Amino acid sequence: DAGVIQSPRHEVTEMGQEVTLRCKPISGHNSLFWYRQTMMRGLELLIYFNNNVPIDDSGMPEDRFSAKMPNASFSTLKIQPSEPRDSAVYFCASSFPLGNEQFFGPGTRLTVL
Amino acid sequence: AQKITQTQPGMFVQEKEAVTLDCTYDTSDPSYGLFWYKQPSSGEMIFLIYQGSYDQQNATEGRYSLNFQKARKSANLVISASQLGDSAMYFCAMREGQGGGFKTIFGAGTRLFVKA
Repeated sequence: DAGVIQSPRHEVTEMGQEVTLRCKPISGHNSLFWYRQTMMRGLELLIYFNNNVPIDDSGMPEDRFSAKMPNASFSTLKIQPSEPRDSAVYFCASSFPLGNEQFFGPGTRLTVL
Repeated sequence: AQKITQTQPGMFVQEKEAVTLDCTYDTSDPSYGLFWYKQPSSGEMIFLIYQGSYDQQNATEGRYSLNFQKARKSANLVISASQLGDSAMYFCAMREGQGGGFKTIFGAGTRLFVKA
């Protein structure tokens, strides 16, 4: 199995631009999580989905952030417009419905200039 | 509300010795899970060990064991026979509920340095 796939691995953009991060969970996993990691705030859960339905988006920092999961094999996290304080590593993770472990993707390092 | 606390920002251990990384948690849900993840300098998140709130035995996975003290709400990670490759950031995490589809929160992490 290929594991959780995230793209791009690195993104550098200018303030005000739209950024879209992509995630492909492991086949058969029905829960998907988006996290943000920064030095100041650590690892924060932004939003998670069960069976493609958003369950808890209380961690999404602002309306500039949105996430979708149109089908079981794809999810996006969009930031529009981006700001320098959005610079972070964004992780996607997935898990089985009765599983315990979350499998993390390699992360996307976002830099907003 | 869920809460995870890791009070040790950094720890040093001599190679081949054992080390304990502390983690305390708070929850009002009787059903929860506790996890430890390792993040080496390369950045990936590696699952190490899981303990369910109803598990009677402490979880073990190779050189990793989880010292689960339910009454104290602690879930310390013990690494035996430390190796240089154990130098990394370690995160404790908690999920309320059983199964994969529940909110999970992470502690601030402990950076472990293994000395040769």
